[in-house]
Amino acid sequence: LAKTTQPISMDSYEGQEVNITCSHNNIATNDYITWYQQFPSQGPRFIIQGYKTKVTNEVASLFIPADRKSSTLSLPRVSLSDTAVYYCLVGPNNNNDMRFGAGTRLTVKP
Amino acid sequence: GAVVSQHPSWVICKSGTSVKIECRSLDFQATTMFWYRQFPKQSLMLMATSNEGSKATYEQGVEKDKFLINHASLTLSTLTVTSAHPEDSSFYICSATGTGRIGELFFGEGSRLTVL
Repeated sequence: LAKTTQPISMDSYEGQEVNITCSHNNIATNDYITWYQQFPSQGPRFIIQGYKTKVTNEVASLFIPADRKSSTLSLPRVSLSDTAVYYCLVGPNNNNDMRFGAGTRLTVKP
Repeated sequence: GAVVSQHPSWVICKSGTSVKIECRSLDFQATTMFWYRQFPKQSLMLMATSNEGSKATYEQGVEKDKFLINHASLTLSTLTVTSAHPEDSSFYICSATGTGRIGELFFGEGSRLTVL
């Protein structure tokens, strides 16, 4: 049973901000929230990680509310090259459980 | 840093043969490695988790005699698909932890297996 829930797909246009929310109601105290991006026929790559509040790096921001039961990945001013599948992963928890949910397929249109 | 390399990136084999896929952490010691399988337009499905020097822990429904995983060193894990059949055709991806952020996975490039 997947521990995370995300929208299956999202569409956006170039230049817009995209927010993808992930629900993780059973997050454990020692879990971190990590987001990955995957292009077709490639391994996923790290985007951003957070534990609580807000984290920002050069490509994205991650918002985590106080209860940590959800998180939102924010991609500012997306471009066509941001078309990919985005996964949130909660872990490592006590079992080192690294199962992925369904992910969100983002399509950026011109 | 933190590079994970898989080899081969693609392989075609005849039904009934065995195929070995290697996963190497090039610049760090991988305490734990994970093997995933991915079908087209689907998510990554965790097959097994392996720690160096110990037997892999397989996910429910994954045949351990079919998918042999060896994690003999802190930088190398191998997945052998034994007696491959066309339904084993898939994209296999390894990942590793052991450096970087807590819980961060470093992924290989993936290996596409096609069984004829």
